[in-house]
Amino acid sequence: DAGVIQSPRHEVTEMGQEVTLRCKPISGHNSLFWYRQTMMRGLELLIYFNNNVPIDDSGMPEDRFSAKMPNASFSTLKIQPSEPRDSAVYFCASSLGGDSYEQYFGPGTRLTVT
Amino acid sequence: GESVGLHLPTLSVQEGDNSIINCAYSNSASDYFIWYKQESGKGPQFIIDIRSNMDKRQGQRVTVLLNKTVKHLSLQIAATQPGDSAVYFCAENIGHSGNTGKLIFGQGTTLQVKP
Repeated sequence: DAGVIQSPRHEVTEMGQEVTLRCKPISGHNSLFWYRQTMMRGLELLIYFNNNVPIDDSGMPEDRFSAKMPNASFSTLKIQPSEPRDSAVYFCASSLGGDSYEQYFGPGTRLTVT
Repeated sequence: GESVGLHLPTLSVQEGDNSIINCAYSNSASDYFIWYKQESGKGPQFIIDIRSNMDKRQGQRVTVLLNKTVKHLSLQIAATQPGDSAVYFCAENIGHSGNTGKLIFGQGTTLQVKP
């Protein structure tokens, strides 16, 4: 199995630029999650989707962040404009959904905003 | 707010010894708990999970214990190996309708295995 695929693995950008992170969940999984991990705040859930529909976006820090899931095999997390405090590792995870709660994580995207 | 927390930020054990990593949770409505291992530069990896209708579950070299009375979860690793060195996270699913599948993660415990 390919597992959850994320791209890019590393992103370095300047403050004010738009950043788009991409995720391909495991085939057949119905739920997709975006997390952010920092030393200060640990692993935070940003948003999650069930069957491509956003269910809970309460973790999205502010309007600069947006996420989409146009189909079952692709999701994006966009930051516009980016700020240095957005520097973190962003993880995408997927799960079967229903009463199966085990989430499978991708390798993450390390974002550095200078 | 309700949260999942870990008792010890760092645990250091001798290779071959057993390790016990603890986790406290505060939401009595949580119906599912899971442990993840995260190695440096990688995403969290599933270790073992347990539902609230159980108090113990065993895997390969790992055991998870759930004490709902005191809202405590632990991960036991038998015969700890250098490859077990990582950060370990517990997470809970708060099982109220309309919000299933969402995991709340603790802050993590670093396990260091001394050769």
